[in-house]
Amino acid sequence: QKEVEQDPGPLSVPEGAIVSLNCTYSNSAFQYFMWYRQYSRKGPELLMYTYSSGNKEDGRFTAQVDKSSKYISLFIRDSQPSDSATYLCAMTPPGGSQGNLIFGKGTKLSVKP
Amino acid sequence: DVKVTQSSRYLVKRTGEKVFLECVQDMDHENMFWYRQDPGLGLRLIYFSYDVKMKEKGDIPEGYSVSREKKERFSLILESASTNQTSMYLCASNRGAGYTFGSGTRLTVV
Repeated sequence: QKEVEQDPGPLSVPEGAIVSLNCTYSNSAFQYFMWYRQYSRKGPELLMYTYSSGNKEDGRFTAQVDKSSKYISLFIRDSQPSDSATYLCAMTPPGGSQGNLIFGKGTKLSVKP
Repeated sequence: DVKVTQSSRYLVKRTGEKVFLECVQDMDHENMFWYRQDPGLGLRLIYFSYDVKMKEKGDIPEGYSVSREKKERFSLILESASTNQTSMYLCASNRGAGYTFGSGTRLTVV
Protein backbone atom coordinates (compact mmCIF):
# COMPACT_ATOMS: atom_id res chain seq x y z
CA GLN A 1 0.00 0.00 0.00
CA LYS A 2 1.42 3.35 -1.02
CA GLU A 3 1.87 5.88 1.76
CA VAL A 4 -0.07 8.61 -0.05
CA GLU A 5 -2.72 7.99 -2.70
CA GLN A 6 -4.00 10.71 -5.00
CA ASP A 7 -6.22 10.32 -8.04
CA PRO A 8 -4.23 11.63 -11.03
CA GLY A 9 -7.30 12.78 -12.94
CA PRO A 10 -7.44 14.59 -15.25
CA LEU A 11 -10.32 16.53 -13.78
CA SER A 12 -12.17 18.95 -16.04
CA VAL A 13 -14.74 21.39 -14.68
CA PRO A 14 -16.56 24.49 -15.98
CA GLU A 15 -15.60 27.91 -14.71
CA GLY A 16 -17.36 28.73 -11.45
CA ALA A 17 -17.64 25.11 -10.28
CA ILE A 18 -16.62 23.91 -6.85
CA VAL A 19 -13.62 21.59 -7.12
CA SER A 20 -12.78 18.87 -4.63
CA LEU A 21 -9.30 17.33 -4.64
CA ASN A 22 -8.46 14.49 -2.29
CA CYS A 23 -5.67 12.37 -0.86
CA THR A 24 -5.66 9.39 1.43
CA TYR A 25 -2.71 8.24 3.47
CA SER A 26 -1.77 5.12 5.38
CA ASN A 27 0.42 6.34 8.24
CA SER A 28 -1.60 7.76 11.09
CA ALA A 29 1.55 9.41 12.47
CA PHE A 30 1.81 11.94 9.63
CA GLN A 31 1.81 15.40 11.18
CA TYR A 32 1.70 18.32 8.73
CA PHE A 33 -0.45 18.35 5.62
CA MET A 34 0.11 20.57 2.62
CA TRP A 35 -1.20 21.35 -0.81
CA TYR A 36 0.99 22.51 -3.66
CA ARG A 37 -0.05 23.92 -7.02
CA GLN A 38 2.14 23.32 -10.06
CA TYR A 39 1.62 25.12 -13.33
CA SER A 40 2.90 23.54 -16.51
CA ARG A 41 6.71 23.74 -16.82
CA LYS A 42 7.03 25.36 -13.38
CA GLY A 43 8.02 24.18 -9.93
CA PRO A 44 5.35 23.46 -7.29
CA GLU A 45 4.31 26.34 -5.03
CA LEU A 46 2.91 25.97 -1.54
CA LEU A 47 -0.80 26.80 -1.38
CA MET A 48 -1.82 25.80 2.12
CA TYR A 49 -0.64 23.79 5.07
CA THR A 50 -2.31 22.62 8.24
CA TYR A 51 -1.51 20.56 11.28
CA SER A 52 -4.72 19.59 12.97
CA SER A 53 -7.96 18.00 11.88
CA GLY A 54 -10.56 20.44 10.65
CA ASN A 55 -10.80 23.15 8.04
CA LYS A 56 -8.50 26.00 7.10
CA GLU A 57 -9.69 28.66 4.70
CA ASP A 58 -7.74 31.08 2.51
CA GLY A 59 -9.80 33.03 0.02
CA ARG A 60 -11.38 30.60 -2.44
CA PHE A 61 -9.36 27.67 -1.07
CA THR A 62 -10.26 25.45 1.88
CA ALA A 63 -8.02 22.68 3.17
CA GLN A 64 -9.69 19.95 5.18
CA VAL A 65 -7.99 17.26 7.25
CA ASP A 66 -9.71 14.24 8.77
CA LYS A 67 -7.06 12.38 10.75
CA SER A 68 -9.47 9.70 11.92
CA SER A 69 -10.16 8.72 8.31
CA LYS A 70 -6.64 9.56 7.09
CA TYR A 71 -8.09 11.75 4.39
CA ILE A 72 -7.32 15.28 3.28
CA SER A 73 -9.11 17.51 0.80
CA LEU A 74 -8.66 20.78 -1.00
CA PHE A 75 -11.77 22.66 -2.08
CA ILE A 76 -11.69 25.44 -4.63
CA ARG A 77 -14.75 27.66 -4.79
CA ASP A 78 -15.72 29.68 -7.86
CA SER A 79 -12.99 27.98 -9.89
CA GLN A 80 -11.23 30.05 -12.54
CA PRO A 81 -9.29 29.09 -15.68
CA SER A 82 -6.19 30.35 -13.86
CA ASP A 83 -6.68 27.49 -11.37
CA SER A 84 -5.83 25.01 -14.14
CA ALA A 85 -2.75 23.23 -12.82
CA THR A 86 -1.61 20.04 -11.16
CA TYR A 87 -2.31 19.92 -7.43
CA LEU A 88 -0.09 17.83 -5.17
CA CYS A 89 -0.79 16.87 -1.62
CA ALA A 90 2.15 16.41 0.75
CA MET A 91 2.65 15.42 4.34
CA THR A 92 5.46 15.07 6.85
CA PRO A 93 6.39 11.76 8.42
CA PRO A 94 6.59 11.35 12.20
CA GLY A 95 9.57 12.67 14.10
CA GLY A 96 8.74 16.35 14.17
CA SER A 97 10.82 17.30 11.14
CA GLN A 98 9.08 19.41 8.57
CA GLY A 99 11.47 18.33 5.87
CA ASN A 100 11.43 15.16 3.78
CA LEU A 101 7.88 15.59 2.63
CA ILE A 102 5.98 12.66 1.18
CA PHE A 103 4.08 13.73 -1.93
CA GLY A 104 1.05 12.41 -3.73
CA LYS A 105 1.47 12.04 -7.47
CA GLY A 106 -0.76 15.01 -8.23
CA THR A 107 -4.17 15.63 -9.76
CA LYS A 108 -4.32 17.54 -13.03
CA LEU A 109 -7.16 20.07 -13.03
CA SER A 110 -8.54 21.91 -16.03
CA VAL A 111 -11.08 24.72 -15.57
CA LYS A 112 -12.88 25.51 -18.83
CA PRO A 113 -14.11 29.06 -19.51
CA ASP B 1 10.37 37.45 -2.23
CA VAL B 2 12.23 34.25 -1.42
CA LYS B 3 13.81 32.43 -4.29
CA VAL B 4 15.27 29.15 -5.36
CA THR B 5 17.09 29.55 -8.65
CA GLN B 6 18.05 26.70 -10.93
CA SER B 7 20.73 27.65 -13.40
CA SER B 8 19.17 26.12 -16.53
CA ARG B 9 15.57 25.68 -17.65
CA TYR B 10 16.39 23.29 -20.48
CA LEU B 11 19.45 21.13 -21.09
CA VAL B 12 20.32 18.60 -23.76
CA LYS B 13 23.27 16.32 -23.05
CA ARG B 14 24.79 13.27 -24.66
CA THR B 15 24.92 9.81 -23.14
CA GLY B 16 28.03 9.41 -21.01
CA GLU B 17 28.53 13.11 -20.34
CA LYS B 18 29.04 14.40 -16.80
CA VAL B 19 26.21 16.82 -16.06
CA PHE B 20 26.02 19.49 -13.38
CA LEU B 21 22.72 20.98 -12.25
CA GLU B 22 23.06 24.02 -10.02
CA CYS B 23 20.65 25.36 -7.45
CA VAL B 24 20.96 28.52 -5.34
CA GLN B 25 18.63 29.77 -2.60
CA ASP B 26 18.64 33.22 -1.01
CA MET B 27 16.66 32.39 2.15
CA ASP B 28 19.48 31.11 4.39
CA HIS B 29 17.73 27.73 4.60
CA GLU B 30 19.58 24.82 6.13
CA ASN B 31 17.75 22.12 4.18
CA MET B 32 17.99 21.58 0.44
CA PHE B 33 16.63 18.82 -1.76
CA TRP B 34 16.85 17.44 -5.28
CA TYR B 35 13.87 15.69 -6.86
CA ARG B 36 13.10 14.34 -10.25
CA GLN B 37 9.55 14.40 -11.59
CA ASP B 38 8.27 11.98 -14.21
CA PRO B 39 4.75 11.44 -15.57
CA GLY B 40 2.92 8.81 -13.57
CA LEU B 41 5.70 8.56 -10.99
CA GLY B 42 5.37 11.91 -9.26
CA LEU B 43 8.19 13.53 -7.32
CA ARG B 44 11.01 11.25 -6.27
CA LEU B 45 13.70 12.34 -3.84
CA ILE B 46 17.25 11.89 -5.12
CA TYR B 47 19.39 13.51 -2.41
CA PHE B 48 19.02 16.02 0.37
CA SER B 49 21.28 18.03 2.62
CA TYR B 50 20.72 19.41 6.11
CA ASP B 51 23.87 21.46 6.29
CA VAL B 52 27.01 22.46 4.45
CA LYS B 53 29.06 19.44 3.39
CA MET B 54 26.30 17.09 4.58
CA LYS B 55 24.35 14.87 2.23
CA GLU B 56 21.85 12.07 2.60
CA LYS B 57 20.56 9.64 0.01
CA GLY B 58 16.94 9.84 -0.94
CA ASP B 59 14.85 7.18 -2.63
CA ILE B 60 16.68 7.05 -5.98
CA PRO B 61 20.32 8.11 -5.55
CA GLU B 62 21.83 5.66 -8.06
CA GLY B 63 23.68 7.42 -10.85
CA TYR B 64 23.70 10.76 -9.01
CA SER B 65 25.90 12.58 -6.55
CA VAL B 66 25.63 15.98 -4.87
CA SER B 67 27.81 18.73 -3.53
CA ARG B 68 27.10 21.36 -0.93
CA GLU B 69 30.15 23.50 -0.33
CA LYS B 70 28.19 26.63 0.63
CA LYS B 71 24.91 26.95 2.45
CA GLU B 72 23.13 28.63 -0.43
CA ARG B 73 24.24 26.26 -3.19
CA PHE B 74 23.34 22.62 -3.78
CA SER B 75 24.56 20.91 -6.92
CA LEU B 76 23.33 17.69 -8.49
CA ILE B 77 25.82 15.72 -10.55
CA LEU B 78 25.05 13.03 -13.08
CA GLU B 79 28.31 11.12 -13.23
CA SER B 80 27.64 9.54 -16.64
CA ALA B 81 24.33 10.63 -18.11
CA SER B 82 22.02 7.97 -19.46
CA THR B 83 18.79 8.21 -21.42
CA ASN B 84 16.76 7.01 -18.41
CA GLN B 85 17.86 10.18 -16.61
CA THR B 86 15.84 12.29 -19.03
CA SER B 87 13.46 14.06 -16.65
CA MET B 88 12.40 17.28 -14.95
CA TYR B 89 14.73 18.03 -12.04
CA LEU B 90 13.47 20.17 -9.19
CA CYS B 91 15.50 21.74 -6.41
CA ALA B 92 13.85 22.84 -3.16
CA SER B 93 14.81 24.32 0.18
CA ASN B 94 13.10 24.76 3.53
CA ARG B 95 13.55 25.61 7.17
CA GLY B 96 10.07 25.25 8.54
CA ALA B 97 6.75 24.24 7.06
CA GLY B 98 6.73 23.61 3.37
CA TYR B 99 9.30 23.71 0.63
CA THR B 100 10.17 26.47 -1.79
CA PHE B 101 10.86 24.99 -5.20
CA GLY B 102 12.85 26.25 -8.12
CA SER B 103 11.33 26.40 -11.60
CA GLY B 104 12.94 23.15 -12.62
CA THR B 105 15.45 21.98 -15.21
CA ARG B 106 14.16 19.82 -18.01
CA LEU B 107 17.06 17.56 -18.93
CA THR B 108 17.08 15.50 -22.10
CA VAL B 109 19.82 12.90 -22.56
CA VAL B 110 20.29 11.78 -26.15
